[in-house]
Amino acid sequence: EAEVAQSPRYKITEKSQAVAFWCDPISGHATLYWYRQILGQGPELLVQFQDESVVDDSQLPKDRFSAERLKGVDSTLKIQPAELGDSAMYLCASSLRGGGEGEQFFGPGTRLTVL
Amino acid sequence: GEDVEQSLFLSVREGDSSVINCTYTDSSSTYLYWYKQEPGAGLQLLTYIFSNMDMKQDQRLTVLLNKKDKHLSLRIADTQTGDSAIYFCAERPNNNAGNMLTFGGGTRLMVKP
Repeated sequence: EAEVAQSPRYKITEKSQAVAFWCDPISGHATLYWYRQILGQGPELLVQFQDESVVDDSQLPKDRFSAERLKGVDSTLKIQPAELGDSAMYLCASSLRGGGEGEQFFGPGTRLTVL
Repeated sequence: GEDVEQSLFLSVREGDSSVINCTYTDSSSTYLYWYKQEPGAGLQLLTYIFSNMDMKQDQRLTVLLNKKDKHLSLRIADTQTGDSAIYFCAERPNNNAGNMLTFGGGTRLMVKP
């Protein structure tokens, strides 16, 4: 069964360091999402891509976060420099298209701990 | 703005029914979803309901939607220990680009044997 892949699963870093997360969506899924889930809360959208273009990045802290999906397939989310408050689960999801019921399939997430 | 709220915790005995409630504020929501998250895992879509429906049943799951009160519920019949997880409701407002979801804070369901 096709799945969304994410790596690494766990990342521990010190504040002010740079971190990067990778996501490979389900093959053929044009829409890709990055969410941040703080412990005890629901996921919050950081950025949404349609193919290689950003559809919505209004909640992405652009002073330190960046995201790209250069070829419209896999995607990288980067944080530089990391801060203590960035500790969270970073979830990637993909969907076949952005409209309709647009079921989003989630990856297992990357749990980031900033020390 | 959009706001989705859920109670934090629910405890039931195995075999009983569970009812998880959710309220939302955006009346333009087109789809409403229920996701399940097991420890350390991503979110799994359980079911969804289109906003022009008031009920949807899928095996042990029943979703009820009260648009007037902006209230969504998920009923799990014959709850099993494997149903223990965090359940998130989410809405997709009609006023955003693409398919952005707004999630509630999650309800932790504990099923006692």
